[in-house]
Amino acid sequence: LAKTTQPISMDSYEGQEVNITCSHNNIATNDYITWYQQFPSQGPRFIIQGYKTKVTNEVASLFIPADRKSSTLSLPRVSLSDTAVYYCLVGFTGFQKLVFGTGTRLLVSP
Amino acid sequence: DAGITQSPRYKITETGRQVTLMCHQTWSHSYMFWYRQDLGHGLRLIYYSAAADITDKGEVPDGYVVSRSKTENFPLTLESATRSQTSVYFCASSESPSEQYFGPGTRLTVT
Repeated sequence: LAKTTQPISMDSYEGQEVNITCSHNNIATNDYITWYQQFPSQGPRFIIQGYKTKVTNEVASLFIPADRKSSTLSLPRVSLSDTAVYYCLVGFTGFQKLVFGTGTRLLVSP
Repeated sequence: DAGITQSPRYKITETGRQVTLMCHQTWSHSYMFWYRQDLGHGLRLIYYSAAADITDKGEVPDGYVVSRSKTENFPLTLESATRSQTSVYFCASSESPSEQYFGPGTRLTVT
């Protein structure tokens, strides 16, 4: 199973851009990369998904280099409400065996 | 309301007892998943299902049993609960394996 590695924690201030990187050295050809956000006492919430290059939606951007061995979630101008744990997920679309990383705890301060 | 629900939200049981956690989704999603979340381990996949009557093991299936006789329900049974199964359990559903929608979780304590 593909394993992922993320920083355990990150600190930021309101209004800054935050970039969280995930390593997935043994990603397979069919794998997509997905990021989730989790608040305390809640289930994870889907943020963004990509396969290669760059994907952007209304809340985040996802950058994936050509070798796909890492990915970076970019959160523009974070607010206090972005304080959460962020998970990088690499999936085998053929076998549906998905592996969550241990997550990155983001703390946004005023 | 449409969505994914889990019951009970909290459960305390004794070692050796059988416990069933329920999961129900109203979207008719094909895929359903069960995860456990423990401090220091993040989310670990227990079992998943690609459709009714189709289930398969995830990363940590030992001590758990699942069934899926109907598309909307995916119960998880602990046949003989152990203290190591104390955890928060999340159910999820999706139409694709990656974009999953999670339930609110069940906090299970085994004494």
